[in-house]
Parts: sequence; C-alpha cells; structure tokens
Amino acid sequence: NAGVMQNPRHLVRRRGQEARLRCSPMKGHSHVYWYRQLPEEGLKFMVYLQKENIIDESGMPKERFSAEFPKEGPSILRIQQVVRGDSAAYFCASSPEGIEAFFGQGTRLTVV
Amino acid sequence: GENVEQHPSTLSVQEGDSAVIKCTYSDSASNYFPWYKQELGKRPQLIIDIRSNVGEKKDQRIAVTLNKTAKHFSLHITETQPEDSAVYFCAASKNTDKLIFGTGTRLQVFP
Repeated sequence: NAGVMQNPRHLVRRRGQEARLRCSPMKGHSHVYWYRQLPEEGLKFMVYLQKENIIDESGMPKERFSAEFPKEGPSILRIQQVVRGDSAAYFCASSPEGIEAFFGQGTRLTVV
Repeated sequence: GENVEQHPSTLSVQEGDSAVIKCTYSDSASNYFPWYKQELGKRPQLIIDIRSNVGEKKDQRIAVTLNKTAKHFSLHITETQPEDSAVYFCAASKNTDKLIFGTGTRLQVFP
C-alpha cells in the first residue's frame, strides 16, 4: 500500500504565476487534509476535503487559494497569483474513516 | 476555536536520559491526540496516538499520558538515542476533524 503521494516535491514559481500542488491519498482513504508549514514553524490547517466535497476550509485564505478533491484523480491545491509570502512547505494528509492521518512528503514551494 | 500549547520549544538531553514534552488543549470535545516526529526536510511521521477513553499508552520507549480533566497530555521518551533528535509536534482533534498542532519541540540528544 503506497503512502500519501505528493507532487511535485519542489516547485519554483515567479510572483504572479499559478501553483498547482497534487496529492494522491493512501488507498482506501477518503479524507484529505492540506496543511502549510512555514520555515521553522508548526503545521497550520488549511482545508479538509472528502470526495467532491469541501468539508472545512476555515484555514484557507479567501483570496487566491482553492482546493478540490474530484471523484477521479488526486486532490489539487491551487494558488493563483503567488506572492513571496506563499513560500512554504505544503503537506497533504489522508485518513481512513477513523481519525489517524498520514502525511505525504510535502511540496516545497518557492516564490521568486 | 481549538488551541494547543506545547512546551518546551527546545529540549537537550544526554543519550540515555528521558525526555518529556507537554501539551495542553482548549476544546474539551477533543478526543484524539497524536504525536508526530519530523526530521529536517522530511514529512511529519505519526509515532504514537491516544484517544480520550484511555489514560496512558506505551510503545517500546515511547509513552503518552492524557489527563482529560486538566486537558493536558504528554509524550515521554525513555533511554533516548541520537536518532531521536527531531522536532516533535503534538496535536488534538475531534473525530475526523482537522488536526490542531502545537508549535513543536526541537529535541536534541547528545551522545
């Protein structure tokens, strides 16, 4: 059973470009969570999704950020018109119907 | 909303000594408390967790205790080894809800 897969591992974008981060949950996991980690800081919740539904997006900025988890394919976190402050590690976690969350390797976004 | 406080922020111990990290949470409805270990540049890895119907759980050198009344839980690592050096995060959640993380503890184990 492969773990949570995220790609790309590293992403460099110029200010104003779009960033798309992908997350494939573990097999059998229907819950996906996105977290952001700034350098030397903890993990901050962004959004919680189940297939085709956003359950909780209270941690996601209202502007420029969006997330989806379609019926088929990976979950996508999309950041439009990136700014330097978006530079961070973005982690996806998945969970079966039962609480435990397992993290992917993360995508390290650098905005130049 | 839920808030999780974690102490200390840094902890240095000699190899073989014990290490204790403490967390408090604010939402009395929280019922799941995992601990994650994160090495530099790596993903957070679940090392142990405890549910609110249990007061203590142990897995080899690692143990976690929970005091629901005080809304307090702790991670205990015995016989520390240099490979235990990492940042440790506590977290709290309700059922399948989001994890609220503490601010992390950087543990250094000196040989």
